[in-house]
Amino acid sequence: GNSVTQMEGPVTLSEEAFLTINCTYTATGYPSLFWYVQYPGEGLQLLLKATKADDKGSNKGFEATYRKETTSFHLEKGSVQVSDSAVYFCALSESNTDKLIFGTGTRLQVFP
Amino acid sequence: DAGVIQSPRHEVTEMGQEVTLRCKPISGHNSLFWYRQTMMRGLELLIYFNNNVPIDDSGMPEDRFSAKMPNASFSTLKIQPSEPRDSAVYFCASSLSAASYEQYFGPGTRLTVT
Repeated sequence: GNSVTQMEGPVTLSEEAFLTINCTYTATGYPSLFWYVQYPGEGLQLLLKATKADDKGSNKGFEATYRKETTSFHLEKGSVQVSDSAVYFCALSESNTDKLIFGTGTRLQVFP
Repeated sequence: DAGVIQSPRHEVTEMGQEVTLRCKPISGHNSLFWYRQTMMRGLELLIYFNNNVPIDDSGMPEDRFSAKMPNASFSTLKIQPSEPRDSAVYFCASSLSAASYEQYFGPGTRLTVT
């Protein structure tokens, strides 16, 4: 079945460091791919998405490129801030349903 | 738009009591999802509705859990009787069915069963 694998956290960085959070997927067909972010005490929020191969999603300085050849959708940011500290979830759409398949989440901690 | 609204935000109850969680989806959205989040099991999809009809309830843990969606603007998740292992944060999310798969989450209800 479809699945998403994320790197385990926590990821601990200093402010202004470069961020990569790895995400790979297994899916039939051509799913859409998503990154969601969850700040402490809140629900998940959509951060960015890509709907087809080679698409790049971007938002708030974060980027991720849909790589079909490597079945990956890695999240990157050039310079993280303390306010980026949160849990990040990679997800894919499941064909023929409205469901999203979520990864286990990766906690990011950014220190000043 | 106010976003997805959930109530209550926090619920503390004793084992054996009935618990009802409520959700109002974003107006115009026709898919609604109930999730449970715990440290041990992460984010789990419990059930989802499309046009008020339950489509997939395979994630509902057992018969103590039930969910309803009597109309397009309201859904409930009920646990009867509740047990300590039900303690978790329960999220409701809604989306425009099949249009983009983007789900919009509510703030969650933190349930503690003692």
